[in-house]
Amino acid sequence: EVQLVESGGGLVQPGRSLRLSCAASGFTFDDYAMHWVRQAPGKGLEWVSGINWKSDSIGYADSVKGRFTISRDNAKNSLSLEMNSLRPEDTALYYCVKDSTPQLWSIGGMDVWGQGTTVTVSS
Amino acid sequence: EIVLTQSPGTLSLSPGERATLSCRASDSFSSSYLVWYQQKPGQAPRLLIYAASRRATGIPDRFSGSGSGTDFTLTISRLEPEDFATYYCHQYAYSPRTFGQGTKVEIK
Repeated sequence: EVQLVESGGGLVQPGRSLRLSCAASGFTFDDYAMHWVRQAPGKGLEWVSGINWKSDSIGYADSVKGRFTISRDNAKNSLSLEMNSLRPEDTALYYCVKDSTPQLWSIGGMDVWGQGTTVTVSS
Repeated sequence: EIVLTQSPGTLSLSPGERATLSCRASDSFSSSYLVWYQQKPGQAPRLLIYAASRRATGIPDRFSGSGSGTDFTLTISRLEPEDFATYYCHQYAYSPRTFGQGTKVEIK
């Protein structure tokens, strides 16, 4: 069974840092690009960041560029999101998402979603 | 940034009826990079349609997508009880990727 399990969320003060992790199983991790997508409470979806299969193509939403860093470890089947200088508007449920292709800009879409980990930024 | 505007915000229909959801883009892009997701309360989104009109694996054929340029449509031919949910369109032709604000399909 294809599975994505996020961890690392929690309550953090503005300006502080947090690192999210995603453990992947049930598929060949290094065959696919991966993403982080977030959803603020009661709101819609926002793409945060994506990384291709070999980490040489990376993208970020303007709202997190320069503060967040995505990375992956294909040997450990894991995806990470390092979040610095957190703001209250970063409060959301963060989903780890598998792409259906190895690259960020190929036809197919994001086809498997984890259940998410909640990040709350508040003093 | 391409802004996707979905309409209507809420669609109130009965089981068995046809649902037509619209997604309009602020600028034209290739339909190859237009995707539809379904999200039910408390659940993660599910991929329904990719490349504007191709059904994802396991998606029933009552779901269909169409459109090109700036105007895209998701149609549910006959609503089943499990189809009442929120639907999002999503483009990744241009960075940053963007989502529409969602259309909630509710039981009338």
